[in-house]
Amino acid sequence: GESVGLHLPTLSVQEGDNSIINCAYSNSASDYFIWYKQESGKGPQFIIDIRSNMDKRQGQRVTVLLNKTVKHLSLQIAATQPGDSAVYFCAENKSGGATNKLIFGTGTLLAVQP
Amino acid sequence: EPEVTQTPSHQVTQMGQEVILRCVPISNHLYFYWYRQILGQKVEFLVSFYNNEISEKSEIFDDQFSVERPDGSNFTLKIRSTKLEDSAMYFCASSYVTDTQYFGPGTRLTVL
Repeated sequence: GESVGLHLPTLSVQEGDNSIINCAYSNSASDYFIWYKQESGKGPQFIIDIRSNMDKRQGQRVTVLLNKTVKHLSLQIAATQPGDSAVYFCAENKSGGATNKLIFGTGTLLAVQP
Repeated sequence: EPEVTQTPSHQVTQMGQEVILRCVPISNHLYFYWYRQILGQKVEFLVSFYNNEISEKSEIFDDQFSVERPDGSNFTLKIRSTKLEDSAMYFCASSYVTDTQYFGPGTRLTVL
């Protein structure tokens, strides 16, 4: 049968502005969270991660915030550039077992306008 | 910088045929994974592999699927009898320990 793709939420920003991409996760037992960037036709690219014992983690131009109370994760990109245009996925992970599967969110399309 | 590689980049096959998708994980990684992404949808976990055996598999990973690490470098996903709904991007990933997973560029599988 015909499959219907998900309608991706889209965030459109001007070059140089800050971007905030949000994600709600499902499993309160998840203790490790990762943001991935996926450009068209490519695999997910690791951006930044955070463990549940932290509320905030900063990288180069990116910051991840974790609110465990409401199971919410956000990715902030400072001074957004055209090269940041991509789909951004959050992924959650429950560690402690022999391995860890990632549960991906729906994704947000970030469109940077020059 | 080490990276996960996958071949082929695009595989076209007839329904009912067997396909083997190949991956070379990052060399010192110990954990290996396959995910798939149907066009326009989110990335879905298929299977994880550690110490030469499957650690976990999803509902998608039925008897038509199998994985193998035939040597010290390759990690393969075999689909025995492809179906139309197997058409997707298949991503291999690897990790050193059970944390950050690094993904390959994917193989686009088209089943006709």
